[in-house]
Amino acid sequence: KQEVTQIPAALSVPEGENLVLNCSFTDSAIYNLQWFRQDPGKGLTSLLLIQSSQREQTSGRLNASLDKSSGRSTLYIAASQPGDSATYLCAVRRGKTSGSRLTFGEGTQLTVNP
Amino acid sequence: KAGVTQTPRYLIKTRGQQVTLSCSPISGHRSVSWYQQTPGQGLQFLFEYFSETQRNKGNFPGRFSGRQFSNSRSEMNVSTLELGDSALYLCASSRLAPPQETQYFGPGTRLLVL
Repeated sequence: KQEVTQIPAALSVPEGENLVLNCSFTDSAIYNLQWFRQDPGKGLTSLLLIQSSQREQTSGRLNASLDKSSGRSTLYIAASQPGDSATYLCAVRRGKTSGSRLTFGEGTQLTVNP
Repeated sequence: KAGVTQTPRYLIKTRGQQVTLSCSPISGHRSVSWYQQTPGQGLQFLFEYFSETQRNKGNFPGRFSGRQFSNSRSEMNVSTLELGDSALYLCASSRLAPPQETQYFGPGTRLLVL
């Protein structure tokens, strides 16, 4: 059974700092991995999708990497801003033939202080 | 293009009642997935529909059911509500069946069971 772990559970940083969020998964047979952002009481916003054949994806100040063999992904946020405050979730999708569900981590709650 | 719409946004029910939640996917999207989010269990997969067919189902009791209509709108029903069913219910849509592309999440329906 796939398990996804995110460390740290919570993080508080001053504005402008670069930071890294970590995600690890137990079964390396994934199809892709996705990073989401969730604001309090809201739905999920997709940030980055990395296919299993890719090593990283970038969007603006965000960079996500994937090391499938070690079961790890990181989300790098450059020059953090108060508007980045949210819960960040990573989710993995298993191989194409074994179902289509996303398995989520518990999330990292990020607070960026002005 | 309008995003994923979920109705109602908030709902209060009592134990033993039943509830129906609705999800309208993004125009042109044929796949709808449902997830339950609780503080204790995090995000868990409920089921996935594509072109009116249930393709995948999570580990939830039979009290949880769903369906998809020909216009791709989806409903999920929970019968004989229990206190533990209190959660944020999220639906996600994609043009093709997962895992081929990113899913877009709606804002969720927050259900409180008293």
